[in-house]
Amino acid sequence: AQSVTQPDIHITVSEGASLELRCNYSYGATPYLFWYVQSPGQGLQLLLKYFSGDTLVQGIKGFEAEFKRSQSSFNLRKPSVHWSDAAEYFCAVGAVSSNTGKLIFGQGTTLQVKP
Amino acid sequence: GAVVSQHPSWVICKSGTSVKIECRSLDFQATTMFWYRQFPKQSLMLMATSNEGSKATYEQGVEKDKFLINHASLTLSTLTVTSAHPEDSSFYICSASRTGKTEAFFGQGTRLTVV
Repeated sequence: AQSVTQPDIHITVSEGASLELRCNYSYGATPYLFWYVQSPGQGLQLLLKYFSGDTLVQGIKGFEAEFKRSQSSFNLRKPSVHWSDAAEYFCAVGAVSSNTGKLIFGQGTTLQVKP
Repeated sequence: GAVVSQHPSWVICKSGTSVKIECRSLDFQATTMFWYRQFPKQSLMLMATSNEGSKATYEQGVEKDKFLINHASLTLSTLTVTSAHPEDSSFYICSASRTGKTEAFFGQGTRLTVV
């Protein structure tokens, strides 16, 4: 079965500290991988995506993620967190073979930033 | 480019009435559009996939007679919640993708409250 797991429901970090949000997927086909951020009551903003090529991808707002096929993971990282990064983060996977844009989302991780 | 607009951003309706939500791709032709529902503090769950000019494909457990989806043109899909009840209150988000493309672009979402 296709699934995306974000093991951490809630994470709290201090401002200026580094951040890593975990994402594991189970997908029979070659995946496309995405990270989105959602502020309360708002839509989704794409942080970064992996389709092919270099497994370390850079995104907006200083975020990066690394695709590790052997671990079925696509963890999101940021070296220094800002208070404005507090939000909900979703990992999502789409099928290369589908060519449709259909995504499966993880449960989300709520990031709280301490001053 | 690749802007998707949803309207309205929020709506309050009385129980038993119907409400229509629009999803428009502003600068590209969207062969496929997706409708997701997000309950508070939860992830996005795909409700249905719509292809221009054909019937929508609903996910298991989604009532097609209650959530009417129309994708009459390459730039517009509509979701009509018929005979709405308080349990239909949720955040509805659409996304759209081009022909043969896996990446989908999200609208800003619609907050539906049924009273």
